[in-house]
Amino acid sequence: RKEVEQDPGPFNVPEGATVAFNCTYSNSASQSFFWYRQDCRKEPKLLMSVYSSGNEDGRFTAQLNRASQYISLLIRDSKLSDSATYLCVVSITNAGKSTFGDGTTLTVKP
Amino acid sequence: NAGVTQTPKFRVLKTGQSMTLLCAQDMNHEYMYWYRQDPGMGLRLIHYSVGEGTTAKGEVPDGYNVSRLKKQNFLLGLESAAPSQTSVYFCASSYGVTDRPLHFGNGTRLTVT
Repeated sequence: RKEVEQDPGPFNVPEGATVAFNCTYSNSASQSFFWYRQDCRKEPKLLMSVYSSGNEDGRFTAQLNRASQYISLLIRDSKLSDSATYLCVVSITNAGKSTFGDGTTLTVKP
Repeated sequence: NAGVTQTPKFRVLKTGQSMTLLCAQDMNHEYMYWYRQDPGMGLRLIHYSVGEGTTAKGEVPDGYNVSRLKKQNFLLGLESAAPSQTSVYFCASSYGVTDRPLHFGNGTRLTVT
């Protein structure tokens, strides 16, 4: 079993739709969680950190469920520019490294 | 702001040739990482460093060596390139603990024929 698993998609949604991605992790010692965005094999860029109480940044909402060991990303009012691959990242503090999921591909269509 | 700079951006090697990829960061980050990304897959950690003079193996270290002689630089070496090492290589850096986000370079696209 992979340490971090994501539904690869692709998710194809119309503009204005709401879409949600889940990411599960296997190591209960995981303590830090992030969502990154990657465009067309360019470098990943931080979208948002995921906090225990959940957090929101504009149209994006991230949630953490430690009991079930998953994190989620909700995108509201999808824009064409949201089309990208979304990578889930899980870290164990002081372990010195982060583990990436394989990514979920989102395509927003007019 | 330069951030994380990788050189070269593209390279084609023949099987058995060697090369070194250079990563430089100007953010005074303690941690540096080398990842590879193959089509349809996420990033897999090759080697990482938690500080100057230290290195550690990641998930897929075989066929690669690294060095961190200076805090700002992290070198990835391929001693004898193989076609299986055809990939996109990303360098990243972060502050001293992993609850801080990673900052990535633009990537190096390597083809081994």
